[in-house]
Amino acid sequence: DTAVSQTPKYLVTQMGNDKSIKCEQNLGHDTMYWYKQDSKKFLKIMFSYNNKELIINETVPNRFSPKSPDKAHLNLHINSLELGDSAVYFCASSQYRDRYNSPLHFGNGTRLTVT
Amino acid sequence: AQSVTQLDSHVSVSEGTPVLLRCNYSSSYSPSLFWYVQHPNKGLQLLLKYTSAATLVKGINGFEAEFKKSETSFHLTKPSAHMSDAAEYFCVVSDLSGNQFYFGTGTSLTVIP
Repeated sequence: DTAVSQTPKYLVTQMGNDKSIKCEQNLGHDTMYWYKQDSKKFLKIMFSYNNKELIINETVPNRFSPKSPDKAHLNLHINSLELGDSAVYFCASSQYRDRYNSPLHFGNGTRLTVT
Repeated sequence: AQSVTQLDSHVSVSEGTPVLLRCNYSSSYSPSLFWYVQHPNKGLQLLLKYTSAATLVKGINGFEAEFKKSETSFHLTKPSAHMSDAAEYFCVVSDLSGNQFYFGTGTSLTVIP
């Protein structure tokens, strides 16, 4: 009965490859996010979708492309992976209708290592 | 613009002693504030939230935080630290739209047996 689930948990790949991370939430939320956490634990917003519509698109290389087939899913595709992409990527969700009060609910993260 | 500052990057306490993790926020309106905890290799778990109701907020695992508008602070406290409290703690403020959440840089809590 996991609320926000991400797959895979670990991802090790070589530079130049393309990879995807999947996220699903069963909380009935209508807004989903991708965050990147660097080695110093700093969390940076990458993207946010509300009902499949992109509402936040921070300064992220266009090698990163989010896709939301429905409001319960938000996937992240990364092209031409670089060493600097190594980080932990977190998916999160919240409820836009109650957005002022609704906290973020996080997945357990995907640790991406680019060699 | 909204922002949060966590005043200590690292805090060490002995088991059984009080915990104080400090957070100051900047906001042009009455904010929503949250504390999250991240245990090693885990996601972030909500500890508590303030959303303009009671200024003293009680959370899970014995943590609480007090919203002080005059000091623009939202410090996290616990009367007695437990070994399982060792983790990274994040203070977060939400903007008026609720679309954007602004994270502090985190405080790493070490509990010494």
